[in-house]
Amino acid sequence: EVQLVESGGGMIQPGRSLRLSCAASGFTVDTNYMSWVRQAPGKGLEWVSVIYVDGDTHYADSVKGRFAISRDNSKNTLYLQMSSLSAKDTAVYHCAKGRPGYGDFDQWGQGTLVTVSS
Amino acid sequence: ENVLTQSPGTLSLSPGERAALSCRASQSVSRNDLAWYQQKPGQAPRVLIYGTSNRATGIPDRFSGSGSGTDFTLTISRLEPEDFAVYYCQQYSSPPRYTFGQGTKVEIK
Repeated sequence: EVQLVESGGGMIQPGRSLRLSCAASGFTVDTNYMSWVRQAPGKGLEWVSVIYVDGDTHYADSVKGRFAISRDNSKNTLYLQMSSLSAKDTAVYHCAKGRPGYGDFDQWGQGTLVTVSS
Repeated sequence: ENVLTQSPGTLSLSPGERAALSCRASQSVSRNDLAWYQQKPGQAPRVLIYGTSNRATGIPDRFSGSGSGTDFTLTISRLEPEDFAVYYCQQYSSPPRYTFGQGTKVEIK
């Protein structure tokens, strides 16, 4: 069974850094493209970042230069390193698995809440 | 950036009625790269339709997707009580960018 479990969220002060993790089971993160998608409280979905099988990474303009996506194949885990956080980054962060050959996300984790507040 | 605009913002319908949700893109979208998701409160989104018209595993056949170019539609033929939720369309475009519509809430009338 495919499963994605995020962790690492919490309350953090503006300007600080935080690393989110997404533990995958039932498939391997290095043979699928993987993304982070966030949802601010009461708002819609916003794509954040993607990492492809070849290691190529891309980011939304809103997080470029501040966030970094990576994976650890030995731990079958996806990461999102977030820095220079502001209140605008407050959201539930979901990791999602991409469907091969298509542009959608076929599996999602439940998400981890990041609250940026002083 | 390819902006997706969903309409209406809210759809008030009764169980058993037909729902038609629209998603309009500012630039043409490849058929393989348009998807629809359902999200209920406190839950992660789940994909309903991928590649414009393919139902995801386990999705009932009352859900169907259609469209091409810049205009896409999600149709729910007969609303069941569990279908009242928020629906998002999503597209992929190059350079790698994934965008979501703002969502359509289907509520019980």
